[in-house]
Amino acid sequence: LAKTTQPISMDSYEGQEVNITCSHNNIATNDYITWYQQFPSQGPRFIIQGYKTKVTNEVASLFIPADRKSSTLSLPRVSLSDTAVYYCLVGDMGAAGNKLTFGGGTRVLVKP
Amino acid sequence: GAVVSQHPSWVICKSGTSVKIECRSLDFQATTMFWYRQFPKQSLMLMATSNEGSKATYEQGVEKDKFLINHASLTLSTLTVTSAHPEDSSFYICSASTSSGNTIYFGEGSWLTVV
Repeated sequence: LAKTTQPISMDSYEGQEVNITCSHNNIATNDYITWYQQFPSQGPRFIIQGYKTKVTNEVASLFIPADRKSSTLSLPRVSLSDTAVYYCLVGDMGAAGNKLTFGGGTRVLVKP
Repeated sequence: GAVVSQHPSWVICKSGTSVKIECRSLDFQATTMFWYRQFPKQSLMLMATSNEGSKATYEQGVEKDKFLINHASLTLSTLTVTSAHPEDSSFYICSASTSSGNTIYFGEGSWLTVV
């Protein structure tokens, strides 16, 4: 599985856009990029997944450049409840038994 | 999205006893489930891969005789912490993938406290 590198932490304010970039230089052809959000004492929650270009859903956008060696999770107009740890994972989820290994994640603190 | 449920959410046990944590995929079949443990303010650490109908695959450094994993059906995997000690106290999380295999969903996690 491709190793990922993310900033350890980021601070933001309510209403601002938060962009978290993840580096995955060794991403393989069949790997997808998936982002999870985790609150204290809860399991990670799926946010968004993409393979290339841009993906958008009701909570976030995911930007992936053509070389796929990095990706950026964009959270529009964050609120206090978006304070959490965000994990970027890459892997071939479709491969039988393929496992996800977590990196350190990015701790996002949203201030009033 | 797909739902993965863990039970119990938290458990306290005495040192030396065994405790079982269940992981269920509620609305899909999961041939593969994963077990993680997480210490406070740290990332998730993969413990083992649970395969339905076969033996689990453990990560390096994880004692298979201490952390027994059983995946007897396509919707249930269990993790049994045997002869628990205080250092086994942690947050245990399971995950499972859908049949399409492109997305993995996580359970709510189970807090284990060994006293």
